Amino acid sequence: QQQVKQSPQSLIVQKGGISIINCAYENTAFDYFPWYQQFPGKGPALLIAIRPDVSEKKEGRFTISFNKSAKQFSLHIMDSQPGDSATYFCAAHTGNQFYFGTGTSLTVIP
Amino acid sequence: KAGVTQTPRYLIKTRGQQVTLSCSPISGHRSVSWYQQTPGQGLQFLFEYFSETQRNKGNFPGRFSGRQFSNSRSEMNVSTLELGDSALYLCASSPGHLELFFGEGSRLTVL
Repeated sequence: QQQVKQSPQSLIVQKGGISIINCAYENTAFDYFPWYQQFPGKGPALLIAIRPDVSEKKEGRFTISFNKSAKQFSLHIMDSQPGDSATYFCAAHTGNQFYFGTGTSLTVIP
Repeated sequence: KAGVTQTPRYLIKTRGQQVTLSCSPISGHRSVSWYQQTPGQGLQFLFEYFSETQRNKGNFPGRFSGRQFSNSRSEMNVSTLELGDSALYLCASSPGHLELFFGEGSRLTVL
């Protein structure tokens, strides 16, 4: 049973466009929601994270939008660049454990 | 500061064999967790150790085991390998502030 559901599985965006990846959860005990970025041959690296008492967090071109009532959160990449091409994982934390989504493969076309 | 180091990076085993993977966390990090990454399944949590004690265990069969040493280095072992165990095994260390620092993984192929 996947505790964090992520969509889409893959995404192709033109350079300069907006990339949007969505995640949904059911467990209200989750207290921290990070996004990880993974390049081929590398381990995932923390990109940005949010706590459930905040509706939005922005770091540079990356923004997390969080909807607590809908139990959904999303990653927005503004002005997408070819260097953003990677796999993105959302995750949720509770009780010393992280639950990851299944990943979204993003390709940004020049 | 050196990152998380995992060895070996690649290995090929046959069904029925066992394998041991090693993880050296970032200096000062006492928490080490292990994940299995497969296409379409994302990262599945295996277990987490803190100060040599297993704090959490994921939903994997008993063939998957791990341990942590006093220097925080960790090993995971998979016995009686099955074809479905082929995956990238990721180790992550944490200083305890909710951020995971991942290694590059050990890619296991079971033939």
